[in-house]
Amino acid sequence: GAGVSQTPSNKVTEKGKYVELRCDPISGHTALYWYRQSLGQGPEFLIYFQGTGAADDSGLPNDRFFAVRPEGSVSTLKIQRTERGDSAVYLCASRSSGTHIGTGELFFGEGSRLTVL
Amino acid sequence: AQSVTQLDSHVSVSEGTPVLLRCNYSSSYSPSLFWYVQHPNKGLQLLLKYTSAATLVKGINGFEAEFKKSETSFHLTKPSAHMSDAAEYFCVVSFYNQGGKLIFGQGTELSVKP
Repeated sequence: GAGVSQTPSNKVTEKGKYVELRCDPISGHTALYWYRQSLGQGPEFLIYFQGTGAADDSGLPNDRFFAVRPEGSVSTLKIQRTERGDSAVYLCASRSSGTHIGTGELFFGEGSRLTVL
Repeated sequence: AQSVTQLDSHVSVSEGTPVLLRCNYSSSYSPSLFWYVQHPNKGLQLLLKYTSAATLVKGINGFEAEFKKSETSFHLTKPSAHMSDAAEYFCVVSFYNQGGKLIFGQGTELSVKP
């Protein structure tokens, strides 16, 4: 596609429920990132994929959070037993494999806003 | 550890006056630094980036930033603000040795008064 696509754009759920957030990166981009942005804060890194594998998952807050990218394209962020503190905007970004990992621009989607009641 | 500090959470200017958004970084390595802008209900967009080439970096929409190693600063400027510049601005440092992971500052909200 033309840009990074994230669905759903808005998700309201109840405490304790399971949630999946989907990211479709720019075609051909091999690197994919998930970030979380709480109200009034800058985005915080969650996890980074290079191809199908998670190269760095050091930002996942606990074992309720999990992400997959089985075919090296679309990624799904999964949150189990949601808590009110999980409410935030979840951002996905991708980067072209042709750019240097330290300097290449990340292209961000518009985010999925999660509200846990 | 690498980090960024944005010195102002909110900046308000009048249309046509200069903009200055301040950012200081901490890095054990030669950093890659970026400024991203986020308009309401829009995705983050790259304004400009510094990657150890020229220290004065020009970006989109008339913005520029100067890398000053002695001051560990990367302030964002624009000579004349436009109403459309109102947005949230993030100073960002890159973890080049960890997959290009970006570390974001807390953000500066820019308001532009008519």
